Amino acid sequence: DTAVSQTPKYLVTQMGNDKSIKCEQNLGHDTMYWYKQDSKKFLKIMFSYNNKELIINETVPNRFSPKSPDKAHLNLHINSLELGDSAVYFCASSLLQGAADTQYFGPGTRLTVL
Amino acid sequence: AQKITQTQPGMFVQEKEAVTLDCTYDTSDPSYGLFWYKQPSSGEMIFLIYQGSYDQQNATEGRYSLNFQKARKSANLVISASQLGDSAMYFCAMREGQQGAQKLVFGQGTRLTINP
Repeated sequence: DTAVSQTPKYLVTQMGNDKSIKCEQNLGHDTMYWYKQDSKKFLKIMFSYNNKELIINETVPNRFSPKSPDKAHLNLHINSLELGDSAVYFCASSLLQGAADTQYFGPGTRLTVL
Repeated sequence: AQKITQTQPGMFVQEKEAVTLDCTYDTSDPSYGLFWYKQPSSGEMIFLIYQGSYDQQNATEGRYSLNFQKARKSANLVISASQLGDSAMYFCAMREGQQGAQKLVFGQGTRLTINP
């Protein structure tokens, strides 16, 4: 029944490692997003994809690479992890871009880089 | 420049009282959308309510209503008859960008605590 799911929920890793976060939505939505929430709870968009096509890349370091194998999945791969990457990462989806479209969020992945 | 401003970092309210969480926004687009999300201590982001810039009436969803004052560029969330479970962070957000490339811009959030 989960609408937007993310795995893993928690991720603890060493600096310099490469890690991935997976996101899946079963809402039949066309657009998916990645947001980052920092330690002060501030949420900021990173990427959005519409039907597997990159729409928004919000000046994120190129160590972050999103991949959308199909419109129900949007994964986030992070290379050479840095301490400043520690945050909660949220995946979200919406039916379309624009109009009254509400974005529904996944449960978040708390990434801790040691 | 901050596009969404939530001036109340924290609020404390007695159970069963109504509470208003402030949100002001800044945009020059004639068409925009305003959202409120709740983030409880468990961490998930829960959609509460939406107001479109062309909507004539204030949005309502159960105990939540949005006091939309377009001229003042404010979109305050009103929670009636507050409950202990309403204790959470609340975020105001505005949808911005061109059609097909839109995103949510969030405010800093307000931490609401409901006291028994």
